[in-house]
Amino acid sequence: KAGVTQTPRYLIKTRGQQVTLSCSPISGHRSVSWYQQTPGQGLQFLFEYFSETQRNKGNFPGRFSGRQFSNSRSEMNVSTLELGDSALYLCASSLVFPDLSKESGNTIYFGEGSWLTVV
Amino acid sequence: LAKTTQPISMDSYEGQEVNITCSHNNIATNDYITWYQQFPSQGPRFIIQGYKTKVTNEVASLFIPADRKSSTLSLPRVSLSDTAVYYCLVVGKSGSARQLTFGSGTQLTVLP
Repeated sequence: KAGVTQTPRYLIKTRGQQVTLSCSPISGHRSVSWYQQTPGQGLQFLFEYFSETQRNKGNFPGRFSGRQFSNSRSEMNVSTLELGDSALYLCASSLVFPDLSKESGNTIYFGEGSWLTVV
Repeated sequence: LAKTTQPISMDSYEGQEVNITCSHNNIATNDYITWYQQFPSQGPRFIIQGYKTKVTNEVASLFIPADRKSSTLSLPRVSLSDTAVYYCLVVGKSGSARQLTFGSGTQLTVLP
């Protein structure tokens, strides 16, 4: 069974540009979430989608956006890139949206990430 | 919202058992705990998950005391390849949204 797949793995962008990252969840998983990881800030939650609807959003500016498609695949977009946006962007999927009575279905599985460098 | 605290780093020798503890004093009744392993330039890899008492799988054990204010990841007989950063994650729910609280990670270095 394939894991969470993220593309591209590495990319370099210039300040002011925009970038779109893609994520394919584990087959059958319906919840997709995105995270930013930097050495200084650790893992920070960006947003979560379930059934094509954003269910939760972290404390990031509006330049960060995302969407989920009917096949559960997701994309995130960062517009007007800044140097500080350089980070590892991680996508994760889980079987269900949080129903804490179904513990196993809530396990979050991460992809390998997309390394974004803004120059 | 649960706040998690982990040691920044730990050293161990090959073949030893390693225990990494995460404190989560404000954990809510229905929150559960997940541990991940992360190598450089890779995404976090799921290790183990639990709600209370003890959980064991083929790679690790997770001990959660009755008050659930901490959890301990136990790695038996570590090898050099276990050198990585280990994160604890407390997963809860607020309304209809999932609440995630990551620890800052523990850098485990296994020495020969």
